[in-house]
Amino acid sequence: DAGVIQSPRHEVTEMGQEVTLRCKPISGHDYLFWYRQTMMRGLELLIYFNNNVPIDDSGMPEDRFSAKMPNASFSTLKIQPSEPRDSAVYFCASSPDSATNEKLFFGSGTQLSVL
Amino acid sequence: DAKTTQPTSMDCAEGRAANLPCNHSTISGNEYVYWYRQIHSQGPQYIIHGLKNNETNEMASLIITEDRKSSTLILPHATLRDTAVYYCIVRVDWSGGSNYKLTFGKGTLLTVNP
Repeated sequence: DAGVIQSPRHEVTEMGQEVTLRCKPISGHDYLFWYRQTMMRGLELLIYFNNNVPIDDSGMPEDRFSAKMPNASFSTLKIQPSEPRDSAVYFCASSPDSATNEKLFFGSGTQLSVL
Repeated sequence: DAKTTQPTSMDCAEGRAANLPCNHSTISGNEYVYWYRQIHSQGPQYIIHGLKNNETNEMASLIITEDRKSSTLILPHATLRDTAVYYCIVRVDWSGGSNYKLTFGKGTLLTVNP
């Protein structure tokens, strides 16, 4: 398996533009997580899905952020409109649904810069 | 989930054992101890986890004290590629789809020196 695949690897945009980050989880994994990492706040959980259903979105900073998982092999995180303070590395992770295998597998992340 | 306390940074000589401590004095009986690491510019990587018994895998060993208030991650023969931030996390047992959160703290920056 290729692991968790995120795209794009880098994104540079201007304030006010819409940004869409993409994630393909590992096949067969039932959980998908979106994290954000900054120097100031470290790794923060934004939202996670179980079987394509959002379970906890309490970490989503505000209404400008939205996440979807239309099927088991694809998820998006959208920021509209983007702001400079959204600049961060965004990680997607997936995990199998198993009481004995609680590992999160992370993608390589998307480095977002909002100018 | 219980909070953890880790040193901000540590150094280790290449080829020597790296012992990374973690305090979790408020851990509950149903909380596991997890270790992840993050190499620069990469996503975090799972290392090991345990409840109360010591655990070992191909990457590391996890030693949990009898009272479970602290643990130590051991990399038996550290290499330069082990330079990374190491996160100690405690969380409740997997509970069938709910409360499936893994909260990362600041971690310990381990620098392996030649």
